[in-house]
Amino acid sequence: GEEVAQTPKHLVRGEGQKAKLYCAPIKGHSYVFWYQQVLKNEFKFLISFQNENVFDETGMPKERFSAKCLPNSPCSLEIQATKLEDSAVYFCASSQYSGENTDTQYFGPGTRLTVL
Amino acid sequence: GESVGLHLPTLSVQEGDNSIINCAYSNSASDYFIWYKQESGKGPQFIIDIRSNMDKRQGQRVTVLLNKTVKHLSLQIAATQPGDSAVYFCAENIDQAGTALIFGKGTTLSVSS
Repeated sequence: GEEVAQTPKHLVRGEGQKAKLYCAPIKGHSYVFWYQQVLKNEFKFLISFQNENVFDETGMPKERFSAKCLPNSPCSLEIQATKLEDSAVYFCASSQYSGENTDTQYFGPGTRLTVL
Repeated sequence: GESVGLHLPTLSVQEGDNSIINCAYSNSASDYFIWYKQESGKGPQFIIDIRSNMDKRQGQRVTVLLNKTVKHLSLQIAATQPGDSAVYFCAENIDQAGTALIFGKGTTLSVSS
């Protein structure tokens, strides 16, 4: 597609439950990024993929967060045993590969996760 | 740690005025800078970008200025319209494929008619 798609739009979970978020990047884009935005404020980088391979996972909380980008499937971000502090909007972005330089990251509409 | 920051959290202007939104960055290694617009309930929308080999770049009604000496970035919006009301974020990264963005805190622009 021509836009990054994210599902669901809203997700509500009780503390300790699992949450799974999905992202379909723009067709033809090689890179996928996940960011977390808390309280409409700063964005925190979580993880990026180059096709189905993890490219940079320096921002991922190792214990409860995991992510995948499998061929012919939407990318996913999963949070095991959610905590109140995980409440945030999670954005997915994608960019194409056009050489050694960075390329524009295009963002999806986000998934708002509320942990009760 | 190093991060991109913005000088003012809010900016209020009248319709038709020119708006200037400022951003200071501290990572000397950053060489790619972007401005995004985020409307309520939506994801960041790309506005304009600039690489460190330039000091000015113009788009439609928008201009980005980069001053590497003082590590300062600004976004100028000409003839601001009510539809420009949003939160504006500057972001930076190293100009290499696949590099993650570092975002600043955001400036809320309010345009009154």
